Amino acid sequence: EAGVAQSPRYKIIEKRQSVAFWCNPISGHATLYWYQQILGQGPKLLIQFQNNGVVDDSQLPKDRFSAERLKGVDSTLKIQPAKLEDSAVYLCASSFLLAGEQYFGPGTRLTVT
Amino acid sequence: GQQVMQIPQYQHVQEGEDFTTYCNSSTTLSNIQWYKQRPGGHPVFLIQLVKSGEVKKQKRLTFQFGEAKKNSSLHITATQTTDVGTYFCAGPYTGTYKYIFGTGTRLKVLA
Repeated sequence: EAGVAQSPRYKIIEKRQSVAFWCNPISGHATLYWYQQILGQGPKLLIQFQNNGVVDDSQLPKDRFSAERLKGVDSTLKIQPAKLEDSAVYLCASSFLLAGEQYFGPGTRLTVT
Repeated sequence: GQQVMQIPQYQHVQEGEDFTTYCNSSTTLSNIQWYKQRPGGHPVFLIQLVKSGEVKKQKRLTFQFGEAKKNSSLHITATQTTDVGTYFCAGPYTGTYKYIFGTGTRLKVLA
């Protein structure tokens, strides 16, 4: 069974530029999560989808972050414009059940200079 | 605000010693999950506890969910160098599906 795929693995951009991350969850997993993990901290949930509907996005900075999950499979997370404090690892995870065990992708390490 | 704290933040042990990390939530959790993250890696699911007072074992690891469903613990017996990493608890607050991760405990095992 293939795991959660994410791309790119690394990205370096200058502040005020835009960036997009892509995630392909495990086949059949209806729930998809995007987390931000700053070095030395636990993952922080940004947005959670159930199929193509949003379950929670209360911690998503909506003035600069956006996410979509068209057709309830792949998802993209976008930052526009990026700030220095957005430097972090962006993790995508998926689960079969809404409150079930989560499988994480390798993450995208973003550096904003 | 609502948060999930873990203690200790760091723990260094000699190989063979036991290790325990504690997870405390300000609000009751529907369930508790534990993840392990190796340095440079991503979180890997270990176990999920759902019932109040539930105890589960996985070889040298023992997991417990508190009676009030606000705290949990992970105990490792006779640590090995392969146990190195950061251990996170996580769960949704009761009545929501919003996942909150704990602050994590970083374990270092000295050979």
